[in-house]
Amino acid sequence: DIQMTQSPSVLPASVGDTVNITCRASHHIATYLSWYQQTAGIAPKLLIYSASTLQSGVPSRFSGSASGTVFTLTISGLQPEDFAAYYCQQSYSTSLTFGGGTKVEI
Amino acid sequence: QITLKESGPTLAKPTQTLTLTCTFSGFSFSNNGVSVGWIRQPPGKALEWLALLYWDDDKRYSPSLTDRLTVTKDTSEDRVVLTLTNIDPADTGTYYCAHSDRRSFNWLDVFDVWGQGIKVTVSS
Repeated sequence: DIQMTQSPSVLPASVGDTVNITCRASHHIATYLSWYQQTAGIAPKLLIYSASTLQSGVPSRFSGSASGTVFTLTISGLQPEDFAAYYCQQSYSTSLTFGGGTKVEI
Repeated sequence: QITLKESGPTLAKPTQTLTLTCTFSGFSFSNNGVSVGWIRQPPGKALEWLALLYWDDDKRYSPSLTDRLTVTKDTSEDRVVLTLTNIDPADTGTYYCAHSDRRSFNWLDVFDVWGQGIKVTVSS
């Protein structure tokens, strides 16, 4: 299995901040990496795929990058609706895996 | 517009077999690249991928659950069925089904539309 390790697990922040969430893969996954946002009690929403491609309709303050097996989700200028949990997911392996999640909280 | 909706029991007993149905609309399972996945989330915990069923009937399962999981499709009814045998309280959580289309995402398995989820509690 490919393990996906996210950090931090909890990220205190304020409106207007720029925050970075990291996801590290245990093996090479090229750019087969997606990011999802989950607001409490609601199904996840796709934000980014292929490590850095923004899904249609997602605000441009969200961006993704990759460096080897380390992937970063950046939110530039946090908005109140961005306080949520974020998950990475690899699809390089036939066995998909999600990261442990990062909760962005006030 | 693509929609998916999960249905099934919300309360089940240990050792039983859990059967969940995902009823979808807005896409055809006969299209090359299409798949439906199942993902669950224990209360307060992270997402866990369970299974993926492809347009060509190829199936993938989580290695930790492969001996307990089965996924099948009923194309005549636009449904995908997940069965989980010998359930345990650790199987409690919200179960989601989700749509994927490799043609839209550089041939990646990416979930772009999710159902609302169904909360399942396993308890005696």
